[in-house]
Amino acid sequence: EVQLVESGGGLVQPGGSLKLSCAASGFTFSGSAMHWVRQASGKGLEWVGRIRSKANSYATAYAASVKGRFTISRDDSKNTAYLQMNSLKTEDTAVYYCTRLVGTSGGFDYWGQGTLVTVSS
Amino acid sequence: QSVLTQPPSASGTPGQRVTISCSGSSSNIGSNYVYWYQQLPGTAPKLLIYSNNQRPSGVPDRFSGSKSGTSASLAISGLRSEDEADYYCAAWDDSRWVFGGGTKLTVL
Repeated sequence: EVQLVESGGGLVQPGGSLKLSCAASGFTFSGSAMHWVRQASGKGLEWVGRIRSKANSYATAYAASVKGRFTISRDDSKNTAYLQMNSLKTEDTAVYYCTRLVGTSGGFDYWGQGTLVTVSS
Repeated sequence: QSVLTQPPSASGTPGQRVTISCSGSSSNIGSNYVYWYQQLPGTAPKLLIYSNNQRPSGVPDRFSGSKSGTSASLAISGLRSEDEADYYCAAWDDSRWVFGGGTKLTVL
């Protein structure tokens, strides 16, 4: 059974940092591109960024809204992806989901349950 | 303001057929596949349609997707109460994934 489990969310002050984790199981994590998508309360989905597999040089890409502040990494030995968030703003408050992109055209087929990040003083 | 445009709401009665539209541009829908996600209240999104019109295993054939030019549609036939959810379209756009603002489907 495929599982994605996010952790690390919480309350942080504006300007602070937080690191989210996404533990994967049930599929070949090392061969998969992993993405982060967020959703503010009552709002729609927003793509945050992604990291590709080793075969694709662990290439990363980010939404303009987080570029330069957020960093995605992965540890294939632990089947875990990470989202390091720095210089957090109140508008970063959201539920953060990790999700797997299947192939090049299969879409985001599995999602974690999400972890809530609240940026507030 | 979402890159892809969806109606904020849609509704139908049990058994009816409803469609949800998604409008984009040449850089997203016009040149890439469209995906649809269903999000039930309090849960993570679920992939409903991929590559414009393909259903993942386990998704009922009541759900169908289509694309024409820079627009796409999700159709739900034989509407059921459990279809009440938020629906999002998505597509690749140049160097990023973009989503529609979501459509809240109410089953009357």
